[in-house]
Amino acid sequence: DAGITQSPRYKITETGRQVTLMCHQTWSHSYMFWYRQDLGHGLRLIYYSAAADITDKGEVPDGYVVSRSKTENFPLTLESATRSQTSVYFCASRRTDRDSYGYTFGSGTRLTVV
Amino acid sequence: GDSVTQMEGPVTLSEEAFLTINCTYTATGYPSLFWYVQYPGEGLQLLLKATKADDKGSNKGFEATYRKETTSFHLEKGSVQVSDSAVYFCALSDVGQNFVFGPGTRLSVLP
Repeated sequence: DAGITQSPRYKITETGRQVTLMCHQTWSHSYMFWYRQDLGHGLRLIYYSAAADITDKGEVPDGYVVSRSKTENFPLTLESATRSQTSVYFCASRRTDRDSYGYTFGSGTRLTVV
Repeated sequence: GDSVTQMEGPVTLSEEAFLTINCTYTATGYPSLFWYVQYPGEGLQLLLKATKADDKGSNKGFEATYRKETTSFHLEKGSVQVSDSAVYFCALSDVGQNFVFGPGTRLSVLP
């Protein structure tokens, strides 16, 4: 089915480990985003990308790395996981940056760092 | 910068009650306004949107009207159901800008 898929759905990792969260969309949307959702903080933008090979920092980029070698994929890597990165991570895509187009979100990855 | 303020809740209602979730915004331009809904364990889904002043967005019995004079986009539903229990996010988007989300309002509807 067409859409935006995230994997894994759940992940438990240890402090200091590298972990990569995957995001794949089938619409060829130009824009892709990574958010984290935490109680008391709502949604916070980590990184976004306007096109392949173009990425930019959001509100909370420290400790994260992204890449976008292909339009349809936008992986998020935690280089050395910390407990403060325990969160639910959402990937989203958007066709253009015109304001009338909304975001489409994936189902999320719940990451626990122990 | 642009911002969105909404009542944080939780809001608890009985089935068939009237719902209002307030949302106000500040923006330098003329943004589009959105309501997203997040059901338990899922991602956010677009509920409705409005792209200019006085537009009314509607979907699944929910409505919201873009009020430029009061910089508001309040979400309403005449008769809520248990299945409407979710977290609701108000958001805005200016041309060429990323979305700005409100903190979310948790709604619980009791049978």
